[in-house]
Amino acid sequence: QKEVEQDPGPLSVPEGAIVSLNCTYSNSAFQYFMWYRQYSRKGPELLMYTYSSGNKEDGRFTAQVDKSSKYISLFIRDSQPSDSATYLCAMITSSNTGKLIFGQGTTLQVKP
Amino acid sequence: SAVISQKPSRDICQRGTSLTIQCQVDSQVTMMFWYRQQPGQSLTLIATANQGSEATYESGFVIDKFPISRPNLTFSTLTVSNMSPEDSSIYLCSVARGPNQPQHFGDGTRLSIL
Repeated sequence: QKEVEQDPGPLSVPEGAIVSLNCTYSNSAFQYFMWYRQYSRKGPELLMYTYSSGNKEDGRFTAQVDKSSKYISLFIRDSQPSDSATYLCAMITSSNTGKLIFGQGTTLQVKP
Repeated sequence: SAVISQKPSRDICQRGTSLTIQCQVDSQVTMMFWYRQQPGQSLTLIATANQGSEATYESGFVIDKFPISRPNLTFSTLTVSNMSPEDSSIYLCSVARGPNQPQHFGDGTRLSIL
């Protein structure tokens, strides 16, 4: 079993839809949670960074962390064609290695 | 966030040769990392580049194949040695200001081995 599970999709939605992207994990030591967006031929770009459980909002993006269920989500409101990309969840334990554990990535297509 | 530049952005190399990839950051950072990403796949950590000490390699990656240098807090190199077609991949560097801080990535080096 992988430490972090993420449905690779692809996920296709119409413009303006609310998108929900999710990851589950097995290691209860994960404390820091990130979402990255990766466009084709580009490096991953940090979207959201959260610590422990709770919600964080930034514009059209909302990240949720439920540590009791070992489940994290990224919501995109009013999705745009420019949101079409691969979304990767990533996590760090509380150790001092800084090592990121990535999900497989979900490919999202937003159709005009 | 830091601006990260990788060189070269892409290359096509012959089997058995070596290529050194450079990663330059516009500010001093504590931690630098090197990843490999197969097309359509997630990222696999190769090693953590430690300034002033040897790199820390992940399981399945060895120093002889992927030697890393970290001469200062803004620069690192990754060499892919004695390349074979299986080494064809995207190699990315990332930086973080601390072990619990998010990593920021360069745009990667797309490497093809003939």
